Parts: sequence; C-alpha cells; structure tokens
Amino acid sequence: AQTVTQSQPEMSVQEAETVTLSCTYDTSESDYYLFWYKQPPSRQMILVIRQEAYKQQNATENRFSVNFQKAAKSFSLKISDSQLGDAAMYFCAYRSTYNTDKLIFGTGTRLQVFP
Amino acid sequence: NAGVTQTPKFQVLKTGQSMTLQCAQDMNHNSMYWYRQDPGMGLRLIYYSASEGTTDKGEVPNGYNVSRLNKREFSLRLESAAPSQTSVYFCASSVGTVSTAFFGQGTRLTVV
Repeated sequence: AQTVTQSQPEMSVQEAETVTLSCTYDTSESDYYLFWYKQPPSRQMILVIRQEAYKQQNATENRFSVNFQKAAKSFSLKISDSQLGDAAMYFCAYRSTYNTDKLIFGTGTRLQVFP
Repeated sequence: NAGVTQTPKFQVLKTGQSMTLQCAQDMNHNSMYWYRQDPGMGLRLIYYSASEGTTDKGEVPNGYNVSRLNKREFSLRLESAAPSQTSVYFCASSVGTVSTAFFGQGTRLTVV
C-alpha cells in the first residue's frame, strides 16, 4: 500500500524568505500523481501544485515550486518570497494511476509566517 | 462558479442521532468523494463515487452510508452517530479518477 509521510509537523519562516516543506512517499508503482494542497484557517482545501511522475521537469506555480526526486521518492515544496497569506496547513498527497479512486494524504505541516 | 458546496458547515449531534451531510458540485465532474480529517491523521477516504449510480468503500467506511443522487450530488449519512465520528468532513469532486480533486469548505461535526 502507498503511504505519504510529512516529517515536519510545524515550520516557520520570516516574510519574504524561502521555506521548504518535505514529503516522502512509498510506492511500487511507476506512474502516479503528486499534489500539494494548502488548508488555511478557513478549512478550504486549495490545490497549490501538481506533478506527474512521468515528467522529469519540476512543476512551478508562481512562488511555489517542487523538487521531485523520483528515485528517492521525495516531493518537497519550496515557497519563495513567503507572504503572511501563506500561513496554513500544507498537505502532500499521492494519487495512483492504477487505483485511481484514492487520494492518499500525509499528516500535514503547519506553516507559520512571521512579519 | 460555486465549485463544491457542502451543507451544513457546523453540526452538533447527540450519540445515536442520525444526519445527512449534503454535497453538490457544479463543475460537471464524474467522480465525487467523502473524506474525514482528524488531527495528526491527514484526510482519509470514507466513500467515493466514480460515476452517477455507483459508489464504493474507501479506507474508513464503517458507520457511514452514501448516495449518489445524480451527477451533481453526493450525500453522506450517519445512521447512528458515535463520538468517534467527531471530525471535519470534506466532499471533493474531480473530472475523472486521475484528475485533480477540488474540495468543499468542510463540515465540522461534533458528536456528544
């Protein structure tokens, strides 16, 4: 069975600085999708970024980028020029292309942003 | 676009009471899901529906039932609520089973 591990329960960063959130996963599959979701205090789950495993190029979305290391099964999220509005819970998630009904989540990392 | 809408946003139940959580999406998505979120455990899949008229169990289905009423709506029912079902419940939908899932705003349910 696939698992997703986020080993940092909490992280903090100063405004305008860069922070990296870690995520590792375990799978025997070769094709899958990886996601980072943001959950602010409003509870809404917001998609931040998505990566297809067959793509070697790391996904980027404005200030958000990932470091996808397929062999190491690592999928970290880098937030550049951090803003107060980035403060939230961040969840890493895995989705198989074979068992496509499950979106498997990590336990989350709470990010605090200090002015 | 409203996206995925869940009702209610908050609910308090007494042990043994029943209730239905409602979910509707206006994105013409085929697949819909119910998750629960508990502290330190991320989100866990309760039930999903890959298309209208079909439903399947997820990781933690015990104590729940679902109905895919039509393509837009997917409801979650607690027949006899238990304190262990205190959680935040999320409905989600996606175009297909491999695409990105979009989430509702969540329902905080407390069972006393």
